[in-house]
Amino acid sequence: GAGVSQSPSNKVTEKGKDVELRCDPISGHTALYWYRQSLGQGLEFLIYFQGNSAPDKSGLPSDRFSAERTGGSVSTLTIQRTQQEDSAVYLCASSPRMTGRETQYFGPGTRLLVL
Amino acid sequence: DAKTTQPTSMDCAEGRAANLPCNHSTISGNEYVYWYRQIHSQGPQYIIHGLKNNETNEMASLIITEDRKSSTLILPHATLRDTAVYYCIVPVVSTSYGKLTFGQGTILTVHP
Repeated sequence: GAGVSQSPSNKVTEKGKDVELRCDPISGHTALYWYRQSLGQGLEFLIYFQGNSAPDKSGLPSDRFSAERTGGSVSTLTIQRTQQEDSAVYLCASSPRMTGRETQYFGPGTRLLVL
Repeated sequence: DAKTTQPTSMDCAEGRAANLPCNHSTISGNEYVYWYRQIHSQGPQYIIHGLKNNETNEMASLIITEDRKSSTLILPHATLRDTAVYYCIVPVVSTSYGKLTFGQGTILTVHP
């Protein structure tokens, strides 16, 4: 079946512009996660959704970052007034539930470059 | 997540078995051990997981010690395409929180 998809695959933007990153999870997966990976660094957890609810937003780096999920499916990560330090690969993952015992399936990521 | 310790890097000859160790001495009785890998420029990929029994699937085998304080991921016949960063993760068991904490992992290089 179809895996997690993300769009766009690459995004180049100018400092100060807003960007939207999209994630389509595996059909039927209720849990959705966003991670960020800066060049040469490990994965940094950003936010998770159980259904359409995001109980913990403390992983978001700043208030310029926001995320939403509608219909228990597609999620959008929005970065307002982008800065150069926002340049990274943004990864989305989904799992059937959220218990810490569920395998997470990752998408290919969106490579964001802020000039 | 319970802390895990992995070697920074390992080498393996193509066709040979790759044995990747992981220490997780603070693991709790109901916490699983998960292994993921990340091939260059791709998202992480699930490999295998286990609780206390040894596990095997089409990708790898997982050997967990009896005291569960360490484990070894075995790629029985490594290929060049297995060159990747391998992460050993012990997620927090929770009904409300399932994030993965990725450490630095082990860089496995498979050479001809």
